Amino acid sequence: QVTLRESGPALVRPTQTLTLTCDFSGFSLNTRGMCVSWIRQAPGKALEWLALIDWDDAKYYNTFLKTMTRLTISKDFSKDQVVLSMTNMEPEDTATYFCTRVDMANIFASDVWGQGTLVTVSS
Amino acid sequence: IVLTQSPVSLSVSPGERATLSCRASHAVGSNLAWFQQRPGQTPRLLIYGASTRATGISARFSGSGSETEFSLTITSLQSDDFAIYYCQQYMTWPPFTFGPGTKVEI
Repeated sequence: QVTLRESGPALVRPTQTLTLTCDFSGFSLNTRGMCVSWIRQAPGKALEWLALIDWDDAKYYNTFLKTMTRLTISKDFSKDQVVLSMTNMEPEDTATYFCTRVDMANIFASDVWGQGTLVTVSS
Repeated sequence: IVLTQSPVSLSVSPGERATLSCRASHAVGSNLAWFQQRPGQTPRLLIYGASTRATGISARFSGSGSETEFSLTITSLQSDDFAIYYCQQYMTWPPFTFGPGTKVEI
């Protein structure tokens, strides 16, 4: 069974750096085609794709977001874990952050989602 | 690629059919997925490849279309079908883009 679980702080102050962790099981990021994406959803708003890391450690970011230069996605080779960092957090970054599995060898869409973690940016 | 969904919201009675539309600003072939998000829940993949149901998805959900015009049809609407539905393209990325969503209400 494939599962993903996000964890991180519920509250961050403006200008701080947010670090979110996605712990996954049931698949390997070393398998060709496997990827993990981060997607966020501001309260009452639509889904917004942020970043993806693939089996080959290639990283992709949403270059149309002003947040792109603030994002870093990485994976921990010793654990089944992907980390998303976002620097200089702003109130507009308040959202639920989801990590998802993307199987590019088959479905190519986010077929399994974590439950999401709500991050509030406020002083 | 910008995705536009219509209508913004749709009022449907239980047992009726709902048809949702997703239009892409540029051709995406069949590289389109549909997601369902019930209130307070995580999005769930319904359809990928424009018309292939994901594992465990009821046959009441069907997707069609290609290139720039897509639709999601839900037949015999049930209470737990009332949700927001998003389309997403994965033809040209990054970024993967989502539509703004269609809310299906009772």
